[in-house]
Amino acid sequence: SSELTQDPAVSVALGQTVRITCQGDTLRSYYATWYQQRPGQAPVLVIYGKNNRPSDIPDRFSGSSSGNTASLTITGAQAEDEAVYYCNSRDSNGDRPFGGGTRLTVL
Amino acid sequence: QPQLQESGPGLVKPSETLSLTCTVSGDSISSSSYYWGWVRQPPGKGLEWIGCMYNSGTTYYNPSLKSRITASVDTSKNQFSLNLKSVTAADTAIYYCVRGGVELSKWFGELPTYYFDYWGQGILVTVSS
Repeated sequence: SSELTQDPAVSVALGQTVRITCQGDTLRSYYATWYQQRPGQAPVLVIYGKNNRPSDIPDRFSGSSSGNTASLTITGAQAEDEAVYYCNSRDSNGDRPFGGGTRLTVL
Repeated sequence: QPQLQESGPGLVKPSETLSLTCTVSGDSISSSSYYWGWVRQPPGKGLEWIGCMYNSGTTYYNPSLKSRITASVDTSKNQFSLNLKSVTAADTAIYYCVRGGVELSKWFGELPTYYFDYWGQGILVTVSS
């Protein structure tokens, strides 16, 4: 099964822009998807595909991809964006590995 | 908008089989547009993919769990199930059922993407004697 690597923690000042990255060889073949998990809650899909958002996700969330790296960008971070963010993808075997998660702190 | 609800025992003894069911409402589990799966999260840790099931009968399981997993779909009840045998304390986790989708490449140079768009609230299963 392929691996996806994320930084364990990132911080951002309120209203500023933050980028969370995910690396893995499988990202050369499949786009990453991104999930937000607030404490005590189930994960929520925030970005999928090239840069698609479910209808209830604010447009300050965006995604991009280059080579083996996928990025989730929050432009104008809000206090409610403080959460753990996980990337996920598919590999050639059909497996669906998750990254280890990035804890975002909004200062 | 579909809703997914996990059910099953919250406590399982070591070496026994963990059995969970996910009941789907607001969507037909027979829909060919989607697939169904399980994800778990040990307390204080990250997400771990368990497996996915397609209506075609194709299944994909996490290689580290494959030898212990049986998953099935009951279209008559609009439910799908997970059995994990020979459990140990390491299987203690919140178990989530999920609905999955796929977006294939539309344009040259684009990649396909597989996602989980709806999640159950999760059920904590503790393995302990």
